[in-house]
Amino acid sequence: QLVLTQSPSASASLGASVKLTCTLSSGHSSYAIAWHQQQPEKGPRYLMKLNSDGSHTKGDGIPDRFSGSSSGAERYLTISSLQSEDEADYYCQTWATGIQVFGGGTKLTVL
Amino acid sequence: QVTLKESGPVLVKPTETLTLTCTVSGFSLTKARMGVSWIRQPPGKALEWLAHIFSNDEESYNTSLKSRLTISKDTSKSQVVLSMTNVDAVDTATYYCARIIGPSWDLLLDHWGQGTLVTVSS
Repeated sequence: QLVLTQSPSASASLGASVKLTCTLSSGHSSYAIAWHQQQPEKGPRYLMKLNSDGSHTKGDGIPDRFSGSSSGAERYLTISSLQSEDEADYYCQTWATGIQVFGGGTKLTVL
Repeated sequence: QVTLKESGPVLVKPTETLTLTCTVSGFSLTKARMGVSWIRQPPGKALEWLAHIFSNDEESYNTSLKSRLTISKDTSKSQVVLSMTNVDAVDTATYYCARIIGPSWDLLLDHWGQGTLVTVSS
């Protein structure tokens, strides 16, 4: 079964970096994912598509502070030089023929 | 500029059928590989994929909701419609549509609508 697992919460200080993790279920370690950001009281926004080799394609206007990387079944979103507007929920998403799956989301608090 | 806008009822009674419309602009529903997904988010909870449809009429549904969902498109109106039968309070959520680019085994969801909140209550 295709499942994505995310930690419910993370926190980091203003100006620091943070690395969020999305874990693919067993047998699906080669799958690409996408990261989406949802700021408070807003709809989600596409950040990037992240492949198993770590290559990624960002959405229009996404700052260079956002980057992605991969290791095995783990997919990472790194945000550097944290700003207050980065405080948001971050969701990973994956897919296969006939199905899409979202992770449970990580709530990022910027201290 | 790609935009998607959801529309539909704000309030629906239990057991009724919910019909939501996604009106798109900036891309064509007839262009190869283009499609639209519906995703929902109950208050305070995570995103849940519901269904998607591609320009080639390929449809897919969340298996847990498949018996209650129907997705269709009207290319002349640039609209994608989602119907959900027999709604219940647990279907209270913000419903989003989003653009996807296929193929389905390597799709990209790259633009979201603003969402529409639907409350199920008598």
